[in-house]
Amino acid sequence: LAKTTQPISMDSYEGQEVNITCSHNNIATNDYITWYQQFPSQGPRFIIQGYKTKVTNEVASLFIPADRKSSTLSLPRVSLSDTAVYYCLVGEYSSASKIIFGSGTRLSIRP
Amino acid sequence: ETGVTQTPRHLVMGMTNKKSLKCEQHLGHNAMYWYKQSAKKPLELMFVYSLEERVENNSVPSRFSPECPNSSHLFLHLHTLQPEDSALYLCASSQERTGRYGYTFGSGTRLTVV
Repeated sequence: LAKTTQPISMDSYEGQEVNITCSHNNIATNDYITWYQQFPSQGPRFIIQGYKTKVTNEVASLFIPADRKSSTLSLPRVSLSDTAVYYCLVGEYSSASKIIFGSGTRLSIRP
Repeated sequence: ETGVTQTPRHLVMGMTNKKSLKCEQHLGHNAMYWYKQSAKKPLELMFVYSLEERVENNSVPSRFSPECPNSSHLFLHLHTLQPEDSALYLCASSQERTGRYGYTFGSGTRLTVV
């Protein structure tokens, strides 16, 4: 299982771009990188998924360098409602048991 | 509306009670899951059902008993629980059993065992 390391917490301000980096040094060839967002007392919500280079959707961008040993979730122009815990998951999806939710990064956005 | 509905949202039960958590998905997904999220701990996968068949059981104690009568409904039957079982219980669904295309979670049931 590829182990992921994320900052425990981050702070930012409304209107700023926020970048959360996840390290996964032992990522395997077939592993995908997926990010989820979780608000208090709710289930996680799928944000974005990628394998290499850059992926962008209406919510975020995901940057993955060529060696794939890390990835960066980029949230453009954050608002107070982006305050949440963000999880980086790495796995090959051959089994749900191999997809591990770690402790995540608690992002706090201030006015 | 996430497409995955869990009831009840909150539940308080005694250690000798029997209760059930219900999950319903309206997404046409083929796989459903139960996760447990305790305070200050990561999500823990409990059970995986694919097309109504249990395909994964992550060493969950027998006091938790899942049931999947069809691909849209999932239950978690609870009996003789312990206080340490108090947690947020989350149901999720996905297009297929591995979750390759992402999980859709419900809002969870906050369970307190007294």
